[in-house]
This record gives sequence, C-alpha cells and structure tokens, in this order.
Amino acid sequence: QKEVEQNSGPLSVPEGAIASLNCTYSDRGSQSFFWYRQYSGKSPELIMFIYSNGDKEDGRFTAQLNKASQYVSLLIRDSQPSDSATYLCAVIGSWGKLQFGAGTQVVVTP
Amino acid sequence: EADIYQTPRYLVIGTGKKITLECSQTMGHDKMYWYQQDPGMELHLIHYSYGVNSTEKGDLSSESTVSRIRTEHFPLTLESARPSHTSQYLCASSDGGGTIYFGEGSWLTVV
Repeated sequence: QKEVEQNSGPLSVPEGAIASLNCTYSDRGSQSFFWYRQYSGKSPELIMFIYSNGDKEDGRFTAQLNKASQYVSLLIRDSQPSDSATYLCAVIGSWGKLQFGAGTQVVVTP
Repeated sequence: EADIYQTPRYLVIGTGKKITLECSQTMGHDKMYWYQQDPGMELHLIHYSYGVNSTEKGDLSSESTVSRIRTEHFPLTLESARPSHTSQYLCASSDGGGTIYFGEGSWLTVV
C-alpha cells in the first residue's frame, strides 16, 4: 500500500463545473498537507497547503482535510481549460518525511 | 516565486559519459531534494539532503550520486550515463513549514 494514494484519472470536467480530487494517506500522525499542480512538461507548483481539519479556501480552490478519516481533497470551482493538469497531493508524515501521491490528471472540456 | 535554478535544462549525451546536473537555491533552505520523473509518470525521490555534508538515498534506487558542500548547492552526478538514465530530473528545496519549491527541471537524453 502506498503512503499517499490518488486516483490517476483522467478526471474529465466540463468547463464551469466543480472538479473534486481526493487523496488518502496511511500515516495517521501526518500533520502537513499540500496540493501541487503540474502542467505537462513543467515542474510542480504549489497551489495551497492545509494543516488543520476543515476547509481552506483560496480563490477558486478549496482544500478540505479530515484527519480522522485520513483524507484530503481539493475542489476546483468554475473549472477552466487552463486548470487541465496533473494535481499532486503531498503529505509530511509523522517522521517529517514528505511523500507525493502519483497524481490525478484533470481534463477540463470546453 | 521560488529561487531555485537548474542547469542544463536540456542535455543529450552519449552512453558512458559523465555528467553533472547543477542545482542552486538562494533561499537558504536546509532541505534539498532530487526527483526523477518520466513523462506522464509519478515523481520518484532519488536523493535528499537535510543540510551541509548530509545526503541520503531516496525511495527509488539510482546510480547517481550527490554532494552538499554548500547550503545553496546540490549537484547530481552520473559517472557513466546509460540510455536507462533518460528522464527528467527535478531539484527542489523546502522551507521550515515543509512547502517544497521545484526548479524547472533538467531533461536528460542518453543516446
């Protein structure tokens, strides 16, 4: 079992709709959670981070963390074609080690 | 914006050649990383460093080596390149909060 799991996709989302991405992790002591976006041929860039249970909003992006259920999600509202990318979930575990998920590919269709 | 730089960006070399991929950051971060990523595939950690004179192998076995003589510099070396080393190599560093910043990557092709 991988320490950080994501559905590989592709997740096809109509333009203007909400994209919902999920990530589960195995280390119950994990404290820090990150979402990165990676365009094809480019390096990952940070979208947002979340440390506490609940929701955190930044523009069209909302990160949701549920430590009891060991999942973190990312919602993208009003999806645009420019949101088409691979989204990587990253978790810092209880030993301070950063682990990336394999990523979910999102395709926003006009 | 992250200040982390990788050179060369693109490199095509022959089998058996020695190469060094350079990585420098100006943010004063103690933690630095090298990831390997094939197109469309997931990131694999191959080396990391938590400070000067500290280097560790990552999750993916790699024939490359690294050094960390200065905080800002974390070069990766392949003593004898092979076609199986063809890939993208991403250097990264992280701040105290754990946020990781990536360089633009070095695309290596071994022919």
